[in-house]
Amino acid sequence: GDSVTQMEGPVTLSEEAFLTINCTYTATGYPSLFWYVQYPGEGLQLLLKATKADDKGSNKGFEATYRKETTSFHLEKGSVQVSDSAVYFCAPRGSGGTSYGKLTFGQGTILTVHP
Amino acid sequence: NAGVTQTPKFQVLKTGQSMTLQCAQDMNHEYMSWYRQDPGMGLRLIHYSVGAGITDQGEVPNGYNVSRSTTEDFPLRLLSAAPSQTSVYFCASRSGDSYEQYFGPGTRLTVT
Repeated sequence: GDSVTQMEGPVTLSEEAFLTINCTYTATGYPSLFWYVQYPGEGLQLLLKATKADDKGSNKGFEATYRKETTSFHLEKGSVQVSDSAVYFCAPRGSGGTSYGKLTFGQGTILTVHP
Repeated sequence: NAGVTQTPKFQVLKTGQSMTLQCAQDMNHEYMSWYRQDPGMGLRLIHYSVGAGITDQGEVPNGYNVSRSTTEDFPLRLLSAAPSQTSVYFCASRSGDSYEQYFGPGTRLTVT
């Protein structure tokens, strides 16, 4: 089945620092790729997505590029804020076989941003 | 438009007890899913449904039952609770032509 390897946390940064959270995946076919974010005490929310190779998803200053050749979808932000403190999940959505339409979540990366 | 709602928010059970976690959505979404979230393991799919009357097993279905008698509701039943079912449970929904899943706020379950 599909699988995801996400950068282990926790990640602790100072405000305005550069953020990278690595994500690589294995999946059959051509999955769509997602980053979800979970703020403290809440459910998950979609942060950004990319549906085909070389697509760049972006939202709230975060970006991630679908790299089919390296099966990666790394999350980046140029200048983090305290309000970005959350848990971030990488999740490919299967496009074939028994994985079709199903999200596979990474283990999550805890980000804490200090003032 | 309330989105995806879950009740209760918190629950404590004794081993062997049964209970139902409720999930409802008001967006007329065809797809609904139940996940459990455990530390260091991300979210794992328990059961899902692609429409009223249709359900299927996910990655970790043992010990859980679901039914989907209406589009809006997708309850998750624990038949005989075990400490291994201590977790945070999330319900999610999406429409058939959308990429985005909408998640409920979660139910934190403790089994002693």
